[in-house]
Amino acid sequence: NAGVTQTPKFQVLKTGQSMTLQCAQDMNHNSMYWYRQDPGMGLRLIYYSASEGTTDKGEVPNGYNVSRLNKREFSLRLESAAPSQTSVYFCASMGTEFSGANVLTFGAGSRLTVL
Amino acid sequence: QKEVEQDPGPLSVPEGAIVSLNCTYSNSAFQYFMWYRQYSRKGPELLMYTYSSGNKEDGRFTAQVDKSSKYISLFIRDSQPSDSATYLCAMNGGYKLSFGAGTTVTVRA
Repeated sequence: NAGVTQTPKFQVLKTGQSMTLQCAQDMNHNSMYWYRQDPGMGLRLIYYSASEGTTDKGEVPNGYNVSRLNKREFSLRLESAAPSQTSVYFCASMGTEFSGANVLTFGAGSRLTVL
Repeated sequence: QKEVEQDPGPLSVPEGAIVSLNCTYSNSAFQYFMWYRQYSRKGPELLMYTYSSGNKEDGRFTAQVDKSSKYISLFIRDSQPSDSATYLCAMNGGYKLSFGAGTTVTVRA
């Protein structure tokens, strides 16, 4: 069971370069999320997709775009990378437990450094 | 003010000690209260969750929720070096979770 797979695991960019982080889940979940994690800041929601064909802004969307390619895949794009976007990025998908709880399953993370 | 407040620590305890972690929150609409564990350089993984107020026990782990005080806790009994990780509280009432900043715990052998 792969769960949530993110690529790449590591990336170094120069200021102004663009790149796309890829995410795929094999749990047939409807909702997918992109977070960034910075020291002392916890997990901050960038964008999410409640279902295929929809995307919505989270807490820190500026400088990012997303695409929900299909039910399995949700990509995050940095059009013009800035040093402030140096972070660890996590993709997650949400499933509903039998009890009704909505819980997230996370990928392993993508470490991005912008020079 | 953040929706969820969590003391980032760090917390260092000797093996076998009880670890006590807690979070406070402001949104009374939250219904599910979760704890995620994150090992260094890994993604968070769900440890346990509770619905509304009360206690839930899972092995050495106990989660408590006091909705009247908007306060949740996680206790780790007989802590082991393998429990060394960052623990994040999270809570939701729908499709979005609100996370605490995480508390880093080190259990010394």
